[in-house]
Amino acid sequence: GESVGLHLPTLSVQEGDNSIINCAYSNSASDYFIWYKQESGKGPQFIIDIRSNMDKRQGQRVTVLLNKTVKHLSLQIAATQPGDSAVYFCAEKTIGNSGYSTLTFGKGTMLLVSP
Amino acid sequence: EAGVAQSPRYKIIEKRQSVAFWCNPISGHATLYWYQQILGQGPKLLIQFQNNGVVDDSQLPKDRFSAERLKGVDSTLKIQPAKLEDSAVYLCASSLEFEAFFGQGTRLTVV
Repeated sequence: GESVGLHLPTLSVQEGDNSIINCAYSNSASDYFIWYKQESGKGPQFIIDIRSNMDKRQGQRVTVLLNKTVKHLSLQIAATQPGDSAVYFCAEKTIGNSGYSTLTFGKGTMLLVSP
Repeated sequence: EAGVAQSPRYKIIEKRQSVAFWCNPISGHATLYWYQQILGQGPKLLIQFQNNGVVDDSQLPKDRFSAERLKGVDSTLKIQPAKLEDSAVYLCASSLEFEAFFGQGTRLTVV
């Protein structure tokens, strides 16, 4: 199930289950979104991205869904494995005051996969 | 392709001391970011460079933090003097177009 921990929301699943991690973004002008995976002691690692002119994109075992109407992004992981245990962040690309695009991160969700 | 390199990996300093972090981005990447990640939170952008120019430093505490990117390649981030609340992981990332690639970060502990 899903619960709110001291800092990070946590999703606990069994190995083999499908996982869905959700993210609400803030800027309706954001035109590009990335999901990152961060394992303990490492920097964020790219998983999958999606542009705002799409509503779904699939990768290997992962699918990202974008709902621009409600500013919501989700990451679906099929057949979750123990190696998927990590913190997952969504990030949105927006144009800053300088005219250059910048990458803003959400709060993150910890995924715990038990064997 | 070599990734983003950061050093040191860990640093422990006393409050009011100064510290510097170094980042070598992926070759050819014009954009370089420094993020601060406090335990249990998402990365927060401190400063963004486009080549050797600053394009966003709105969240950089400029009274104590400074950063430079000489020649548009390597970058250093400095904190002087450090406070207890600066304890965090400092992440460097670089990008060519859209996707940002991250280094492993420097974990700073201020005691």
